[in-house]
Amino acid sequence: DIQMTQSPSTLSASVGDRVTITCRASQSISSWLAWYQQKPGKAPKLLIYKASSLESGVPSRFSGSGSGTEFTLTISSLQPDDFATYYCQQYNRGTFGQGTKVEIK
Amino acid sequence: EVQLVQSGAEVKKPGESLKISCKGSGYSFTSYWIGWVRQMPGKGLEWMGIIYPGDSDTRYSPSFQGQVTISADKSISTAYLQWSSLKASDTAMYYCARPKDTAMAPFDYWGQGTLVTVSS
Repeated sequence: DIQMTQSPSTLSASVGDRVTITCRASQSISSWLAWYQQKPGKAPKLLIYKASSLESGVPSRFSGSGSGTEFTLTISSLQPDDFATYYCQQYNRGTFGQGTKVEIK
Repeated sequence: EVQLVQSGAEVKKPGESLKISCKGSGYSFTSYWIGWVRQMPGKGLEWMGIIYPGDSDTRYSPSFQGQVTISADKSISTAYLQWSSLKASDTAMYYCARPKDTAMAPFDYWGQGTLVTVSS
């Protein structure tokens, strides 16, 4: 089984900060990587797919990069609406990472 | 507009059976896969399995194979997730979701979730 490991588990940041979340796969997954945002009590929302493709309607401050085993989600300037939990997913097998909670500093 | 509308919250006792539903609208239900994702209280997301309503081709995560059954009724554009004998550890929020195109694609549309509580 391919394991997905996110870091950090929790991140404290302020509005306007540049934020980076890392997702590592236990073996190469090419670019079959997606990022989701989930707010409390809500369903996840797709942000990025194919490692770096921005989903329609998602603000351009979100970006993704990487291939193989190491991937990053970057929020260029954190906005109040961005405080949430973020999950990566290697969708070739379905596996999600354990999540990264972005908190207000 | 694509919509996935799930059935309401359920409270069940251990050993009882349950079937929850997910009704798709705004698109050709038989042309897209529908998947199920579990989220236990305070925990992360787990991919459970997926079905193609057009021909009922179904795939399960090894972790959920034999524990649940995924089915679909294309005549009413509805997918189902069912348990024959619930356990307390089945307490979770369950989401249905539609992948972009193939079975193993990211989920771009999600239902609102169905909370299942199993308690004696």
